[in-house]
Amino acid sequence: EVQLVEAGGGLIQPGGSLRLSCAVSGFTVGSNYMAWVRQSPGKGLEWVSVICNGESAAYADSVRGRFTISTDDAKNTVFLQMDSLRAEDTATYYCAREVPPPLVGNHLVSWGQGTHVTVSS
Amino acid sequence: IVMTQSPLSLPVTPGEPASISCRSSQSLLNGNGYNYLDWYVQKPGQSPQLLIYLSSNRASGVPDRFRGSGSGTDFTLEISRVEADDVAVYYCMQALQTPYSFGQGTKLEIK
Repeated sequence: EVQLVEAGGGLIQPGGSLRLSCAVSGFTVGSNYMAWVRQSPGKGLEWVSVICNGESAAYADSVRGRFTISTDDAKNTVFLQMDSLRAEDTATYYCAREVPPPLVGNHLVSWGQGTHVTVSS
Repeated sequence: IVMTQSPLSLPVTPGEPASISCRSSQSLLNGNGYNYLDWYVQKPGQSPQLLIYLSSNRASGVPDRFRGSGSGTDFTLEISRVEADDVAVYYCMQALQTPYSFGQGTKLEIK
């Protein structure tokens, strides 16, 4: 069974750092495209980042240069290192798996339950 | 790529049809012939989940009351007969090129 479990959220001051994790079961993160999507309170969904087979990564303009996505194959976990946090980064962060190859597309087929981050002094 | 949904709020009588429009600022047609436009549904208190992928393919377990269509820059999600359980926010998302982007979301409510 595929499961994604996020952790690491909490209250952090502006300018601080936080590392989110997404522990995965049922597949190998290093062989998949893994993404982070966030949702500010009462707002819509915002795509944040993707890592492709544990190697190349892409970021939203709003987080590029501040956030870093990575994977740990031994732990079968995806991470989102968030630095220089701002109030506008306050959101629930969801980890998601893209459809695995060789299937066509980049749709997000599996989602975690989310972890909440609050950036406030 | 900017994604624009309409309407943002959609009150519907049970049993009646519903339609949501999604437009992209550039074509989502990939060279492989597929439109990289997906629909997600987020029910109250839940994580989002995939509803329709590649414009017109229903995800596993999605009832055939849901239909996705469109190509290029104009896409539509239709629900043939709305049920109370369909109350949710519906999002389109382009997955053609990074950064991927979502529409603003359409909140479907029951009249």
